[in-house]
Amino acid sequence: GQNIDQPTEMTATEGAIVQINCTYQTSGFNGLFWYQQHAGEAPTFLSYNVLDGLEEKGRFSSFLSRSKGYSYLLLKELQMKDSASYLCAVSGYSTLTFGKGTMLLVSP
Amino acid sequence: ETGVTQTPRHLVMGMTNKKSLKCEQHLGHNAMYWYKQSAKKPLELMFVYNFKEQTENNSVPSRFSPECPNSSHLFLHLHTLQPEDSALYLCASSQERRGAYNEQFFGPGTRLTVL
Repeated sequence: GQNIDQPTEMTATEGAIVQINCTYQTSGFNGLFWYQQHAGEAPTFLSYNVLDGLEEKGRFSSFLSRSKGYSYLLLKELQMKDSASYLCAVSGYSTLTFGKGTMLLVSP
Repeated sequence: ETGVTQTPRHLVMGMTNKKSLKCEQHLGHNAMYWYKQSAKKPLELMFVYNFKEQTENNSVPSRFSPECPNSSHLFLHLHTLQPEDSALYLCASSQERRGAYNEQFFGPGTRLTVL
């Protein structure tokens, strides 16, 4: 089975840096995804990691340690529009299993 | 716009009604998915279709019945639902390829309320 754990809520200030952690236990691993979901909208793809290390894409970076079952999403230079839910999802043998999501609130 | 559309966007139905949710993807993908998203819970995978064949059914009650007439269209037929079935129902699609990651593209969802 799959078990994915991430914090329920986080708050941060505009311009700051925030790190959202995700830990997982899975029976198969074929990569880890991060999605962003604004209220009332569809989840949108942010990043994918399958090998250990850091993947950087603009203001967003994602890190993976397979041996520790751990990932984080790093958001730099936070903007108000970054207020959203961030979903960690693990790809098993055939499908994605999602965590409950971390609601990030960015304040001025 | 992600290339995945869903109709209706909002639906209110009684427990004795029969309704259908529709999903269409314009991305040329070969796999489609139904997810349920309830408050305070993770996205729950309901059904997977790969090349129009149902490959997964995650112990979903029979009051939910999927249909995939072709690789671009996916339906979810609803009948005799319960109030606890009220949720956001999301459709997604992906291009399944061996040896590559299969990013899923989501539709905007149908917000379902069962009275």
